[in-house]
Amino acid sequence: AQTVTQSQPEMSVQEAETVTLSCTYDTSESDYYLFWYKQPPSRQMILVIRQEAYKQQNATENRFSVNFQKAAKSFSLKISDSQLGDAAMYFCAYRSPDQKLVFGQGTRLTINP
Amino acid sequence: DGGITQSPKYLFRKEGQNVTLSCEQNLNHDAMYWYRQDPGQGLRLIYYSQIVNDFQKGDIAEGYSVSREKKESFPLTVTSAQKNPTAFYLCASRTGTDLYNDQFFGPGTRLTVL
Repeated sequence: AQTVTQSQPEMSVQEAETVTLSCTYDTSESDYYLFWYKQPPSRQMILVIRQEAYKQQNATENRFSVNFQKAAKSFSLKISDSQLGDAAMYFCAYRSPDQKLVFGQGTRLTINP
Repeated sequence: DGGITQSPKYLFRKEGQNVTLSCEQNLNHDAMYWYRQDPGQGLRLIYYSQIVNDFQKGDIAEGYSVSREKKESFPLTVTSAQKNPTAFYLCASRTGTDLYNDQFFGPGTRLTVL
C-alpha cells in the first residue's frame, strides 16, 4: 500500500523569508501524481501545486515550487517570500492510477510577522 | 456559482443515533469521495463513487454507508456501529474528463457525538 510521510509536524518562518516543507512517499507504481494541499483555519482544502511523476521538471506556481526527487521518493514544497496568508496546515498527497488520494499527516506552518 | 456544498457545517448527535451528512455538487463531476479528518491527522478515505449507482469502500468504511442515486449527490450515513464518529468530514468530487482529474473539496462538516 502507498504511504505518505511528513516528518515535520510544525514549521515556522519569518514573513518574506523562504521555507521548505518535506514529504516522502512509498509506492511501487511508476505513473502517479503528487500534490500539496493547503488547509487554512476555515478547513477548506485548497490545491496548491501538483507534480506528474513522469515529468522531470519541477512544478512551479507563483511563489510555490516543488523539489521532486523520484528515485528518492521525495517531494518537498518551497514557499518563497512567505506571507501571513500562507499560515495553514499543509498536506502532501499521492494519487495512484486508480485516482485514490493518500495524504500525509500534515505540517502546520506559522508565519511570524 | 459552481461548487460543492456540505450541510450542515456543524452537527451534533447523541450516541447510538444514525446521522446523514449531505454532499451536493453542481460541477457535473463523475466521481465523488468522502474523507474523514481527525485532529492532527491527514485525510482518510471512507467511500468513493466513480459513477451513479456504484460505490466502493475506502480505507476506513466500517460503520459508514453511502448511496449514489444522483450524479449530484453523495450522502454519507454515520451509523451507530461507528465506534468513534466525532471527526471532521470532507466531501470531494472530480471530473473524469479533464487533463489532471484534480479533486475539489467541499467546506466540510464537523460531527460531534455526545
